[in-house]
Amino acid sequence: DTAVSQTPKYLVTQMGNDKSIKCEQNLGHDTMYWYKQDSKKFLKIMFSYNNKELIINETVPNRFSPKSPDKAHLNLHINSLELGDSAVYFCASSQGTSGLDYNEQFFGPGTRLTVL
Amino acid sequence: AQSVTQLGSHVSVSEGALVLLRCNYSSSVPPYLFWYVQYPNQGLQLLLKYTTGATLVKGINGFEAEFKKSETSFHLTKPSAHMSDAAEYFCAVSARAAGNKLTFGGGTRVLVKP
Repeated sequence: DTAVSQTPKYLVTQMGNDKSIKCEQNLGHDTMYWYKQDSKKFLKIMFSYNNKELIINETVPNRFSPKSPDKAHLNLHINSLELGDSAVYFCASSQGTSGLDYNEQFFGPGTRLTVL
Repeated sequence: AQSVTQLGSHVSVSEGALVLLRCNYSSSVPPYLFWYVQYPNQGLQLLLKYTTGATLVKGINGFEAEFKKSETSFHLTKPSAHMSDAAEYFCAVSARAAGNKLTFGGGTRVLVKP
């Protein structure tokens, strides 16, 4: 069974469109994340949710809006897509953010977004 | 604030030779350190991590890394490269105070020559 899944795997769309990427985890984790990997392979966190509450928002344009309907899902909606949004978007989840130990993040397979 | 620098965006090694990937970090609080591997068109897989305790950590696929606080380094090594080690490798840092978020280095692509 897939631990962290994302849909779709590939997304090709025109500039100006609105699109969503979905993420689901079946690990029972409390925290979910979105990361962006650009064309140079640089990875950077975008958002983090803990129990459906936003806890990290890293200087991301307002066109990006994460939504967490429950703690097993974290979707990413992007309005008015731009060429620079082309990237691979990775979802991840972890047990939580508190406690004495680091909670390992498990990554999904990624969604390759291409904006034409 | 935290940051990670990986020296060398590309590393080429011969099969059977030592793999050494360099990672230096900056963190204002005690760091947690990680190495992830990304195979072509796939997600990230955790190779190993350092949180506390023993500074030499062993991971999957024969990789190991040593946390050196005095050098702010966490270099990744494997004694003998295998063709299947060809991938992109990412060093990352995190901290409890940072909300568990991972800050990644720029990545190092490993090419293994027969």
